[in-house]
Amino acid sequence: AQSVTQPDIHITVSEGASLELRCNYSYGATPYLFWYVQSPGQGLQLLLKYFSGDTLVQGIKGFEAEFKRSQSSFNLRKPSVHWSDAAEYFCAVDSGNTPLVFGKGTRLSVIA
Amino acid sequence: EAGVAQSPRYKIIEKRQSVAFWCNPISGHATLYWYQQILGQGPKLLIQFQNNGVVDDSQLPKDRFSAERLKGVDSTLKIQPAKLEDSAVYLCASTLDRSSYNEQFFGPGTRLTVL
Repeated sequence: AQSVTQPDIHITVSEGASLELRCNYSYGATPYLFWYVQSPGQGLQLLLKYFSGDTLVQGIKGFEAEFKRSQSSFNLRKPSVHWSDAAEYFCAVDSGNTPLVFGKGTRLSVIA
Repeated sequence: EAGVAQSPRYKIIEKRQSVAFWCNPISGHATLYWYQQILGQGPKLLIQFQNNGVVDDSQLPKDRFSAERLKGVDSTLKIQPAKLEDSAVYLCASTLDRSSYNEQFFGPGTRLTVL
């Protein structure tokens, strides 16, 4: 069965600093990979997704993620964090014919 | 374009009581999902509808949970009777169809507290 691991429960970064959130997946073939963001009291919003092709994908709000097959990873990055980026971030995997499986999430705090 | 609507936003009940949640998906979206998100965890799929038919309910605790989407639009999720471990946020999502290529749009969720 596919699974997703987000090793960092909580990360704190300074505003303007770079960000990298880690995600590792377990699946036999190349999965479909997603990053979602959840702000307090809000539903999940899709940041970006990877299905195939270029392993570096661009998303909304200045985020990007890189698929590395050799490391079974799909890490999310942003070069300069804004205070409004403080939220919970979820990585998810989909095999194409099974439901989305989410990681446990990483909570991002942004300090001045 | 209106998003996915859910009500109520918050609900507090005592164990063994019943509760129902309502979801109105984005117009024209054939596929509807209910997720359970326990504090500190990611969402877990409970049930998936395609129009008014159930596609996947393998993770739905059918002894106490039920869901329906009678006319292929709105959906209700019911818990009867509730247990303490049902305390969670219940998220509804919709998408055009079942293809993984289509983005799932999530509602704000219903936060359930069972005392």
